[in-house]
Amino acid sequence: DTGVSQDPRHKITKRGQNVTFRCDPISEHNRLYWYRQTLGQGPEFLTYFQNEAQLEKSRLLSDRFSAERPKGSFSTLEIQRTEQGDSAMYLCASSLLLSIRNEQFFGPGTRLTVL
Amino acid sequence: SQQGEEDPQALSIQEGENATMNCSYKTSINNLQWYRQNSGRGLVHLILIRSNEREKHSGRLRVTLDTSKKSSSLLITASRAADTASYFCATDRAAGNKLTFGGGTRVLVKP
Repeated sequence: DTGVSQDPRHKITKRGQNVTFRCDPISEHNRLYWYRQTLGQGPEFLTYFQNEAQLEKSRLLSDRFSAERPKGSFSTLEIQRTEQGDSAMYLCASSLLLSIRNEQFFGPGTRLTVL
Repeated sequence: SQQGEEDPQALSIQEGENATMNCSYKTSINNLQWYRQNSGRGLVHLILIRSNEREKHSGRLRVTLDTSKKSSSLLITASRAADTASYFCATDRAAGNKLTFGGGTRVLVKP
């Protein structure tokens, strides 16, 4: 257990439905990241926050995706009008930016299946 | 897009043997990190090596970094069945920035 939690762990939804995932980072960590991982591949970056500010978004993050970190603590990732291609593991990570090191600690992930 | 490649893609060894996997990347980096992922689970941070370091050790793990060749290697000594997992390298270009992962090496340690 890294201290990063994600909810739910599994989500099955029908195409066209909206889904929302939550990530709770390690409490003192100021940076929070979202990644997506498909089967047999390495994780791919989606977006990240420093405190409540969203600093970077990947081109993978289409208009159907939105992420928030309203109080600089937990974060949510919403996917609207899900498509079968959205099926993947969604991983959240957090880090404490204090120095030039950047260990990111990952949560267990939310596995999304879109039928 | 993936930063680079891990080699080999899959590795099968007997318990007690050493496992070596390599990672190549394309751009200049600040840090390189190695992670382990058990099937269907999240990633566990193993070790971080900074761009000005050449070698680091942590328990049974040894990581090397050659920035001139843009490559790194992870050695697991005296492997155990519990080391069975996928191993990923990840790089960042500045502290606190996003990680770019390779495709991973799947390691099977047979008892």
